[in-house]
Amino acid sequence: DAKTTQPTSMDCAEGRAANLPCNHSTISGNEYVYWYRQIHSQGPQYIIHGLKNNETNEMASLIITEDRKSSTLILPHATLRDTAVYYCIVRAFIIQGAQKLVFGQGTRLTINP
Amino acid sequence: DTGVSQDPRHKITKRGQNVTFRCDPISEHNRLYWYRQTLGQGPEFLTYFQNEAQLEKSRLLSDRFSAERPKGSFSTLEIQRTEQGDSAMYLCASSPSPWTSSSGANVLTFGAGSRLTVL
Repeated sequence: DAKTTQPTSMDCAEGRAANLPCNHSTISGNEYVYWYRQIHSQGPQYIIHGLKNNETNEMASLIITEDRKSSTLILPHATLRDTAVYYCIVRAFIIQGAQKLVFGQGTRLTINP
Repeated sequence: DTGVSQDPRHKITKRGQNVTFRCDPISEHNRLYWYRQTLGQGPEFLTYFQNEAQLEKSRLLSDRFSAERPKGSFSTLEIQRTEQGDSAMYLCASSPSPWTSSSGANVLTFGAGSRLTVL
């Protein structure tokens, strides 16, 4: 699996857009970019994933660069409840075997009032 | 559907005791995972079931650890002769068969975890 690099921590003001970057320069053509987040004392929560096109759902938008070497998770209107550790994970889609997501240290996002 | 349930949420035990954690996955999910997370680190993969078959185990899973999923529904993770180094959050996750995923990606749904403290 390709290695990912994320900033250790970020701050964002409540109501503003939070933009979380992730570098994955060794990503392969069949590897997806996944984003999960973990709010304190809870299990990780799936946010969004993408292969090469930009994606949007009710939680966030995912912007993947054309060369796929980096991506940005966008929380359009951050709230205090978005304070969490955000993990960017690169993983190939598999049919057989375990989906062993490899979690790094993630980015600790703090939303300030 | 109430999501992935784990029990107990917290367990404090003395070194050398045995502990067991239970996970109830989302009912239609045939894949079940156990992860371990220590303070300040991301979750680490321990083991994986497809239905009742345990198909993969991490090297992190020593012989004091055993996991079962006898009827392909709930799963248990037992730790025998606990050590202080076993103190961690034990997370369970489930996912559907990839053939049922409309997007072709395998997305895991995690439970809230069972926090173990070994004194």
